[in-house]
Amino acid sequence: DTEVTQTPKHLVMGMTNKKSLKCEQHMGHRAMYWYKQKAKKPPELMFVYSYEKLSINESVPSRFSPECPNSSLLNLHLHALQPEDSALYLCASSQDGQENYGYTFGSGTRLTVV
Amino acid sequence: QKEVEQDPGPLSVPEGAIVSLNCTYSNSAFQYFMWYRQYSRKGPELLMYTYSSGNKEDGRFTAQVDKSSKYISLFIRDSQPSDSATYLCAKQLSFGAGTTVTVRA
Repeated sequence: DTEVTQTPKHLVMGMTNKKSLKCEQHMGHRAMYWYKQKAKKPPELMFVYSYEKLSINESVPSRFSPECPNSSLLNLHLHALQPEDSALYLCASSQDGQENYGYTFGSGTRLTVV
Repeated sequence: QKEVEQDPGPLSVPEGAIVSLNCTYSNSAFQYFMWYRQYSRKGPELLMYTYSSGNKEDGRFTAQVDKSSKYISLFIRDSQPSDSATYLCAKQLSFGAGTTVTVRA
C-alpha cells in the first residue's frame, strides 16, 4: 500500500460547526503532515507529527487542532472556522521525518466554510 | 526572502518540446531538493528528489542541481499533453510557488 487516504474528499461547514478531517497511511511512515493550499498557491505547512509527537506547529490558529492517535492515523479537528479558511487541506507522510526524500501526499479534502 | 523561489509562469509548449523549469534557493546548507507534479484538484505527487550537485534522470525527466549558482532545474523531454500540470520545486518543508505548464497537442 503506497497511498495516503484522506476523508472526506469534500466538506462544507458553517462557521459554528465542528468537523474533523481524517488521514491514514499504511506505509510504515513515522512522520505525518498537514498542509493548507489555497487556489494557485503552493502548499503551506501547518503541523508536523514525528513518531506520533507534534514536532512543528507553524503558528496555526487554535481553531485547527491536530491529533495523531497512532502512527497510521492523523486527524485535523476544525471548530469555529472562518470563510478564509476555505482551502484544500493536504495530508502527507514521510519515512522518518527527515523530509529529504520527499513526501507521499493524499488527494486532499476540499473545505468550504460558509 | 523565501527559501525557494520559482517563476509561476505559465508556460505553454507544443507537444514533443523540452520543458525547462527552474528554481533558485537561498541557503547553501540545503542539499536535498524535490520536484512534485500537481494535477488540478489533486495532491502533489513526488517526481524526483536530488542530492547535492549533478544530474538525476528518470525516464523523460531530468533533475539538475547547480550548487555554485544555487539553481535547481527540471527538464521534461518529449513532452506530452498528459504532462500539463503545475510543477513545484521544494526543499524539506518548503515549496516554491509552482509553475503551471500546458503542453499543446
